[in-house]
Amino acid sequence: GESVGLHLPTLSVQEGDNSIINCAYSNSASDYFIWYKQESGKGPQFIIDIRSNMDKRQGQRVTVLLNKTVKHLSLQIAATQPGDSAVYFCAENSWNAGNMLTFGGGTRLMVKP
Amino acid sequence: EAQVTQNPRYLITVTGKKLTVTCSQNMNHEYMSWYRQDPGLGLRQIYYSMNVEVTDKGDVPEGYKVSRKEKRNFPLILESPSPNQTSLYFCASSHMTSEGETQYFGPGTRLLVL
Repeated sequence: GESVGLHLPTLSVQEGDNSIINCAYSNSASDYFIWYKQESGKGPQFIIDIRSNMDKRQGQRVTVLLNKTVKHLSLQIAATQPGDSAVYFCAENSWNAGNMLTFGGGTRLMVKP
Repeated sequence: EAQVTQNPRYLITVTGKKLTVTCSQNMNHEYMSWYRQDPGLGLRQIYYSMNVEVTDKGDVPEGYKVSRKEKRNFPLILESPSPNQTSLYFCASSHMTSEGETQYFGPGTRLLVL
């Protein structure tokens, strides 16, 4: 597969540990946030989303936390598995910007067996 | 199977030779968009379309054209490609519900302009 980027921050975790991937955003008008997972050679895949009227949302093994005060978003993956190895992107959307998603630069998660 | 398809997946061309990358979705989504992905820059939106015959510029529209004559298709056109358009391109489609919006991405098209 193709590497997504040469300058991505990388998070390396042991299989079974919890992972926390962080994202900072700058637009205080952003009201909808999404986390995507991109495996090598594939397009981004939706993981979980959260609206600005919430500060936490849980999915299967994943939790997204939103702190609007400091414009910070995090993705927590519980019991990280080798299949979680990928690049993770956060994206933000504000309705006053139409339907345009703005993506963060991405973080590469590497899971050690 | 619900999916977004792109063709071609890989393309090598020369400066100035017009090319089209096709995108098709089978989910009856109103919204479609094109992104390019470059190292260190993440995903940047090129153009998007809210519905048939409705298109608008994204962050980096220069050098690109799009059309939306049918709901399912959203081709990306490079009239006169240049080396700085060498990139990985993704098409996406989405549908808005009360729960929010989920974008479905195509598999990507890797373009090399010599």
